[in-house]
Parts: sequence; C-alpha cells; structure tokens
Amino acid sequence: KQEVTQIPAALSVPEGENLVLNCSFTDSAIYNLQWFRQDPGKGLTSLLLIQSSQREQTSGRLNASLDKSSGRSTLYIAASQPGDSATYLCAVSGGSNYKLTFGKGTLLTVNP
Amino acid sequence: SAVISQKPSRDICQRGTSLTIQCQVDSQVTMMFWYRQQPGQSLTLIATANQGSEATYESGFVIDKFPISRPNLTFSTLTVSNMSPEDSSIYLCSVVVIETQYFGPGTRLLVL
Repeated sequence: KQEVTQIPAALSVPEGENLVLNCSFTDSAIYNLQWFRQDPGKGLTSLLLIQSSQREQTSGRLNASLDKSSGRSTLYIAASQPGDSATYLCAVSGGSNYKLTFGKGTLLTVNP
Repeated sequence: SAVISQKPSRDICQRGTSLTIQCQVDSQVTMMFWYRQQPGQSLTLIATANQGSEATYESGFVIDKFPISRPNLTFSTLTVSNMSPEDSSIYLCSVVVIETQYFGPGTRLLVL
C-alpha cells in the first residue's frame, strides 16, 4: 500500500526566503506526482504535475523535482511571499487510473 | 483545465439523515472521483464515479453508505447516508484533464 509522507508538517519563514518542502513515498512504481496548495476553507489548487519519466517541472517561482528511484520529491519556492501561505499537499498516482494517495501536507506561513 | 462547482458548499445535518452533494464540471470528462478530508487529515479517495455504471469504491467505503450517481460526463452526485458525527468532513470531487487532477471547492459537512 502506497504511503506518502511530508516533512516538515509546518514551516514558518520570513518573506523573501527560499524554501524547500519534502515529500517521500514508499512505492516507487508511480505514474505521476502532483503538488497542490490548499487555502483555509477552500479546495485544492494544482501547482505542478511531474510524470514518472520526468525529473523536474517549473512554474514561475515554483520548482518541483522527482527522484522516483529513491521515492522523493521536493517543492522549491523561491523568494517566498505572504500570499504563499497555505497548506501544500503532495499526491502520487499509482497508475493510469489516476487514483491519488495524499500526504498530510506542510502548513507554510510566510511572515511579512 | 477544468472548472468544477459543488453544491451545497456547506451544510449542518442531524444524525441519521442523508445529504446529497452535487458536482458539476464545465466540460466532458471521463475520470471523476470523490474524496473525503476529515478534520486535520489529508484527502482519502472514496470512489471512482463511472459514467453509465456503478461506482468503484475503495477499501473501507461501501455503496450503501456512499451511493454515487454519474448520469453523464459532466455531472455526479455523492450521497452520505444515515449520517453520524464521524461523517463530518469536507467532501471533494475531482476530475482528470490531460493527466492533471483538478478539484472542486468542496462541501463542508457538519453532523450533529
């Protein structure tokens, strides 16, 4: 059974700092990995999708990497802003059925 | 991408009653899912909503408790039956568009 772990559970940083969120998964036979953000009282917003054959994806200040063999992914946020404050969720899909297994998330607070 | 709406956005229900949640997508999609997010927890997949056939449920979820309809490729309903306080959660539908999974805003359910 796939298990996804996210470290740290919470992170507080000053504005402008670069930061890294970590995600690990127990079964390396994944189809793809997706990073989401969840704002309080809101649904999930898709940030980045990495296919199993890819090493990284970038969108603006966000960069996600994938090391499938070691079961790890990182989400790098450059020059953090208070608007980046949210819970960041990592989820993996085990196949083309697209069923996602989620981690518990990292609660990020960026202080002005 | 996909724009997903859910109704109701929130509800407070009495123990023993049932609530039906609607999910509407702005385009035809093949893959549609229902997830649950219990307080302080991450998302757990309830079932895959199949168009024209019975939903496929994950371990721990049964049709009698969570009946699902999928009459067409843009709409689905999830019913939470015979509710108890343990059913208090956020219920989210999601769809897959070009490999990426998109989520609705969620329905926040409180059972008293």
